[in-house]
Amino acid sequence: DAMVIQNPRYQVTQFGKPVTLSCSQTLNHNVMYWYQQKSSQAPKLLFHYYDKDFNNEADTPDNFQSRRPNTSFCFLDIRSPGLGDAAMYLCATSRDAWGRNEQYFGPGTRLTVT
Amino acid sequence: SQQGEEDPQALSIQEGENATMNCSYKTSINNLQWYRQNSGRGLVHLILIRSNEREKHSGRLRVTLDTSKKSSSLLITASRAADTASYFCATDAGGTSYGKLTFGQGTILTVHP
Repeated sequence: DAMVIQNPRYQVTQFGKPVTLSCSQTLNHNVMYWYQQKSSQAPKLLFHYYDKDFNNEADTPDNFQSRRPNTSFCFLDIRSPGLGDAAMYLCATSRDAWGRNEQYFGPGTRLTVT
Repeated sequence: SQQGEEDPQALSIQEGENATMNCSYKTSINNLQWYRQNSGRGLVHLILIRSNEREKHSGRLRVTLDTSKKSSSLLITASRAADTASYFCATDAGGTSYGKLTFGQGTILTVHP
């Protein structure tokens, strides 16, 4: 089945130790998104790619970076995780950026920072 | 500032009852979408309503949109215990937003068997 896959599902890292979260999709969608969701809050958009055109939100901390080496894969790098970065990180895709742009989400990676 | 605000924040009902959730937003939109999120999981798209549409149905779901009031509602009829989840509205402002969605804070729905 076509889907959005995130690995790992659970990630524990130490304060200040770089961590990379990965996302892959078999939907062949043009747009990929990374969201941060803290407990009982709305998902907050960090980055999105339209094909390889990269866009970061104005309030995304510099500590976060993203890479999309090809259509299928996208990575989220957290260079120096702090305790405040503990959250669920959600990857999503949409077929296009205009018109029917409903998003398909992966199961998320729950990041714990110790 | 947050585009979407949802009301109520939490809703508790019995199986078989209807559940209504409301969403208000601030700026003009291209479309509005509703998503469901089970605890600790990703979001699942439920329904999309365009700005020129007033009502859409999908199974037990009914969504309305009033662009003059900048509000939408999601009605789940004949609710089931499996409908227990958080429900989010999300708005697409269109233009050069590249399909970016702004999510509301969500409504936590609990359906008791």
